[in-house]
Amino acid sequence: DGGITQSPKYLFRKEGQNVTLSCEQNLNHDAMYWYRQDPGQGLRLIYYSQIVNDFQKGDIAEGYSVSREKKESFPLTVTSAQKNPTAFYLCASSISAKPQHFGDGTRLSIL
Amino acid sequence: AQKITQTQPGMFVQEKEAVTLDCTYDTSDPSYGLFWYKQPSSGEMIFLIYQGSYDQQNATEGRYSLNFQKARKSANLVISASQLGDSAMYFCAVLNDYKLSFGAGTTVTVRA
Repeated sequence: DGGITQSPKYLFRKEGQNVTLSCEQNLNHDAMYWYRQDPGQGLRLIYYSQIVNDFQKGDIAEGYSVSREKKESFPLTVTSAQKNPTAFYLCASSISAKPQHFGDGTRLSIL
Repeated sequence: AQKITQTQPGMFVQEKEAVTLDCTYDTSDPSYGLFWYKQPSSGEMIFLIYQGSYDQQNATEGRYSLNFQKARKSANLVISASQLGDSAMYFCAVLNDYKLSFGAGTTVTVRA
């Protein structure tokens, strides 16, 4: 079945460590997105990419980095510069203005 | 970032009754899309309904309907005949230039 796969489901980070969250889609969607969700709040856009080898900052990009080397993949790195990384991270993809399809998310916590 | 306002942090509804969730937004772009998503406690985001800013008729999808008032920049979601499985967080979102901005959400609890 087509869909979006995020891994891992749970991730723990030590202080000063970079961690990478995986997002893979087989929907043949051009656009991919990363969102952060804090408890009891809505989603905030971190980065998005409309085509391969191109991406734009969202509203809260500081402390994060992405790459888009393949259409199917849009990994997110949470760097040590992100001082409050504990959150639920959701990846999504879409075609143009169509509804975004979401993965099941990754919960990141600090050890 | 665009501002999406959902004024009801939490709502209770009796099973089989209808519930209306409020959403207002402030985009200045004439072309945009409005979305509602459901997020159960498991965390996944489930697309419910979509309305384009130029659509003349209000969108409907099964028990979900969208009360779109463009001049007031309002896009309320109506869930009819509530079921226990409707208990979840509901988010309003506006798509503008590939960016989807979300409101803070409304928690709906359906009582038997």
